[in-house]
Amino acid sequence: DTAVSQTPKYLVTQMGNDKSIKCEQNLGHDTMYWYKQDSKKFLKIMFSYNNKELIINETVPNRFSPKSPDKAHLNLHINSLELGDSAVYFCASSLRGQGISDTQYFGPGTRLTVL
Amino acid sequence: QQQVKQSPQSLIVQKGGISIINCAYENTAFDYFPWYQQFPGKGPALLIAIRPDVSEKKEGRFTISFNKSAKQFSLHIMDSQPGDSATYFCAASIPSNTGKLIFGQGTTLQVKP
Repeated sequence: DTAVSQTPKYLVTQMGNDKSIKCEQNLGHDTMYWYKQDSKKFLKIMFSYNNKELIINETVPNRFSPKSPDKAHLNLHINSLELGDSAVYFCASSLRGQGISDTQYFGPGTRLTVL
Repeated sequence: QQQVKQSPQSLIVQKGGISIINCAYENTAFDYFPWYQQFPGKGPALLIAIRPDVSEKKEGRFTISFNKSAKQFSLHIMDSQPGDSATYFCAASIPSNTGKLIFGQGTTLQVKP
């Protein structure tokens, strides 16, 4: 009965490879997010979808491509992985995506290590 | 203007003491200020949040103090416990239909028994 789940939990891969991270939420929320947490624990929004529509697209290399097949799922595909992509990636969801009093629920994270 | 500055970066407090974490912002359009707590190996979770029309909000041992004129807000943890050891993030949100949160840099709190 996990609210926001991510797979895989750990991902170790070589530079240049392509990988995907999957996220699912069973909270019935309309909005989902991808965050990147770097080695200094800084959390930064990457993308957000509301009802399968992209609404936040931060300055992220276009090697990163989100995809939302339905409002309960948000996947992140990364092409041509680089060393600097090593980080923990968090998926989150919220009911409406309207900031005020709209709690974001985070998944357990995917630790990506690029060798 | 979009930044939220958080301090200190790390904090060590004795059990039973008061932990205080401070945040400052520039953008007066921010209208929602949550604090998130993150344990090692876990995702952040909402701890407590405040709106700028309120100067203080208390939930159990956790209190947010908000100073709108100074554009500062802080988290106070009273009677700190070893189980409070975690990383704490302040954040701010701009009125929009995106839910975008700007996070502070995080504070790693260690409460010593």
